[in-house]
Amino acid sequence: QKEVEQDPGPLSVPEGAIVSLNCTYSNSAFQYFMWYRQYSRKGPELLMYTYSSGNKEDGRFTAQVDKSSKYISLFIRDSQPSDSATYLCAMSAGAGSYQLTFGKGTKLSVIP
Amino acid sequence: ETGVTQTPRHLVMGMTNKKSLKCEQHLGHNAMYWYKQSAKKPLELMFVYSLEERVENNSVPSRFSPECPNSSHLFLHLHTLQPEDSALYLCASSQEVGRDLYNEQFFGPGTRLTVL
Repeated sequence: QKEVEQDPGPLSVPEGAIVSLNCTYSNSAFQYFMWYRQYSRKGPELLMYTYSSGNKEDGRFTAQVDKSSKYISLFIRDSQPSDSATYLCAMSAGAGSYQLTFGKGTKLSVIP
Repeated sequence: ETGVTQTPRHLVMGMTNKKSLKCEQHLGHNAMYWYKQSAKKPLELMFVYSLEERVENNSVPSRFSPECPNSSHLFLHLHTLQPEDSALYLCASSQEVGRDLYNEQFFGPGTRLTVL
């Protein structure tokens, strides 16, 4: 079993839709959970991070972590064409850890 | 220049060539990273330097040789590569781990490498 599983998509939605992106993981030591966004021909940029279980909201984006199920989600409300990108989940065992374990990424297209 | 820059952006090389990738960070960070991003695979951490000392080397073949002359610059020297080494090579930087609850990594745009 891979440490982090992420459906690569591609996922295509109409503008204004609610998008749900998910990752599952197997390593119970993970404490920090991140979502990166990567536009074509660019490096990944951090979108949100969450420590342990719970929800975090930032504008149209909501990150959820359920450590009991080893499942994390990113919701995008009122999706825009500018949200079209590849979304990568990443996880870390704890503060001071260099190692980020990434999912393969989900390619999202928001159609006007 | 701002953020993390990488040169060249694209590189095509033969298996017998020697080339180098360059990364420069303008963020005042003191940890730098090399990642490999292949199609349909997760990002793979290759090397980590903290305060110019190598602290991670994730079983990377010796045909990849990193160099960190100072906290702002990172190089990846390439020699005798294989076609399966074709990928996007990303550099990242962060503040030195241990001081923050979470060390956000800032990525450069990457070098697209093709090995013929």
